[in-house]
Amino acid sequence: SQQGEEDPQALSIQEGENATMNCSYKTSINNLQWYRQNSGRGLVHLILIRSNEREKHSGRLRVTLDTSKKSSSLLITASRAADTASYFCATVNYGGSQGNLIFGKGTKLSVKP
Amino acid sequence: DVKVTQSSRYLVKRTGEKVFLECVQDMDHENMFWYRQDPGLGLRLIYFSYDVKMKEKGDIPEGYSVSREKKERFSLILESASTNQTSMYLCASSSLEGTPYEQYFGPGTRLTVT
Repeated sequence: SQQGEEDPQALSIQEGENATMNCSYKTSINNLQWYRQNSGRGLVHLILIRSNEREKHSGRLRVTLDTSKKSSSLLITASRAADTASYFCATVNYGGSQGNLIFGKGTKLSVKP
Repeated sequence: DVKVTQSSRYLVKRTGEKVFLECVQDMDHENMFWYRQDPGLGLRLIYFSYDVKMKEKGDIPEGYSVSREKKERFSLILESASTNQTSMYLCASSSLEGTPYEQYFGPGTRLTVT
């Protein structure tokens, strides 16, 4: 069952610009994670934000979480061509089966040099 | 670093064949997962396992079975492959310790059923 919905579905920007992707979800969560997938490869974990956190940073990544709106955003600053990938949010439902993530359908980011 | 490997990157099988997709992780993780990924549908959970010989159905288990005889290995079996099982298959593992629920993925197997 789908939980997170990423927005936009696709995003095209120039190198050096910032990229913002949004994720909305439906039920109460334990935490929310963002993953990246390079074309034809497996997913790589980027960052996790817990339900009691509002903002988290990791390098050029900034994640915010608004539990009242059931939404999260991923900001990539000063984007590079190597950031071209699909980005997925994933949630762990509060009280859900341990270890189970529910993934959104992803945002496809294209960064042009 | 955690490493999750899958037996094949690309696989072509005929309709009706029995297909085995193997996944091995080297970090002693308790949890292992099989997903399929299709354009426009995102990742969908087929089966998961929390322990050796344990298995739980995910969202789309029909047409699939799994086996976990050893902690590090989780196999996905297509009993009789059909063309609608053409897809990218992703295996993942996670630990109950450390960062909870962070999943580590293999590189994927792109299966084509003709």
